[in-house]
Amino acid sequence: EPEVTQTPSHQVTQMGQEVILRCVPISNHLYFYWYRQILGQKVEFLVSFYNNEISEKSEIFDDQFSVERPDGSNFTLKIRSTKLEDSAMYFCASTGIIYEQYFGPGTRLTVT
Amino acid sequence: EDKVVQSPLSLVVHEGDTVTLNCSYEVTNFRSLLWYKQEKKAPTFLFMLTSSGIEKKSGRLSSILDKKELFSILNITATQTGDSAVYLCAVVNGNKLVFGAGTILRVKS
Repeated sequence: EPEVTQTPSHQVTQMGQEVILRCVPISNHLYFYWYRQILGQKVEFLVSFYNNEISEKSEIFDDQFSVERPDGSNFTLKIRSTKLEDSAMYFCASTGIIYEQYFGPGTRLTVT
Repeated sequence: EDKVVQSPLSLVVHEGDTVTLNCSYEVTNFRSLLWYKQEKKAPTFLFMLTSSGIEKKSGRLSSILDKKELFSILNITATQTGDSAVYLCAVVNGNKLVFGAGTILRVKS
């Protein structure tokens, strides 16, 4: 069964460093998303991406965040200058033409 | 402000019990409602509900949506220890999912 994959599973970085989180969505899906979940809190929407551009973003998704689909398979989230409060589990999700979003296993980002 | 509220926050039952999890919502651009099961990491898709009154069923799990009263329920019959997880309700609002805080279900053997 096709699935969303994410790498790395865990990333530790120092405050101020740049990180890139990688996702490979399900191959025939058209819409891609990033969500995050701070420990003990709700899953929060960050950004949606369709047809090579951002279709919607939340207030959390400020100028330090960017997304890219550099080739036909990868979907990346870059955080330019990480802060302590960026520590969270980051989930990538994808969907085809209906609303069922399928989530990857997540990347746990720890900023020290 | 978009809101998805789940109740109860947590629940402990014994194997074989039936549970009902609740989700109410208030969003500006409702498209559909989804239920997920979250164990260690990623939310795993269970159901998508778009129309009122039509029950979705998968094994011991079932769910229904009421778009007039803006809520959904997820039922699990004959619970097993493997059902222990966080159950998340999420509403498709425009182009994104708005999640509730989840219901933590623990099934004791």
